[in-house]
Amino acid sequence: AQSVTQLGSHVSVSEGALVLLRCNYSSSVPPYLFWYVQYPNQGLQLLLKYTTGATLVKGINGFEAEFKKSETSFHLTKPSAHMSDAAEYFCAVTLSGNTPLVFGKGTRLSVIA
Amino acid sequence: DAGVIQSPRHEVTEMGQEVTLRCKPISGHNSLFWYRQTMMRGLELLIYFNNNVPIDDSGMPEDRFSAKMPNASFSTLKIQPSEPRDSAVYFCASRKTGKWEQYFGPGTRLTVT
Repeated sequence: AQSVTQLGSHVSVSEGALVLLRCNYSSSVPPYLFWYVQYPNQGLQLLLKYTTGATLVKGINGFEAEFKKSETSFHLTKPSAHMSDAAEYFCAVTLSGNTPLVFGKGTRLSVIA
Repeated sequence: DAGVIQSPRHEVTEMGQEVTLRCKPISGHNSLFWYRQTMMRGLELLIYFNNNVPIDDSGMPEDRFSAKMPNASFSTLKIQPSEPRDSAVYFCASRKTGKWEQYFGPGTRLTVT
């Protein structure tokens, strides 16, 4: 069975600083990986996804993530944090299009002015 | 295109009452997922359907919870009788065959007093 671990339930960065949110997965076969963002009182919104091909994927709002098979990681980064990036971020994994996404516990990102 | 629609957005009810949450998936999507989100337990998958058929309901916490999908455009999650510990945000998500990402609705915030 697959699983996802997000290191750090809360990350705080200064405005303009690098954002790094960590995600490690456990899977016996190549997974499909996702990052979702949840703003307060809203549903989850797809930020980016890795299925096949290029291991560095770009998403909305300047975020990107790199699939590293050797490290079983899919960390999310953004070069310069903006106040509007404050939200909860979820990493998710699935093995096929017929099974649900398995979500991590989430990481709350705070951005300090 | 309209996204996943959930109703009501907020529900406040007294312990022991029946609660029905509704979901309309995105047109053309054939998989539907019900999740529950709480501070303590994070995002939990309750049940999911493929082509209106329940596939896995192992996440449904108790017999008090039931879900139906009578057609491709409508699903309900019912709690009878409701208890204070059922207070949470309930999300519905849908997915199209051949795609891996799930699209979430805005959620229903349920408060049981």
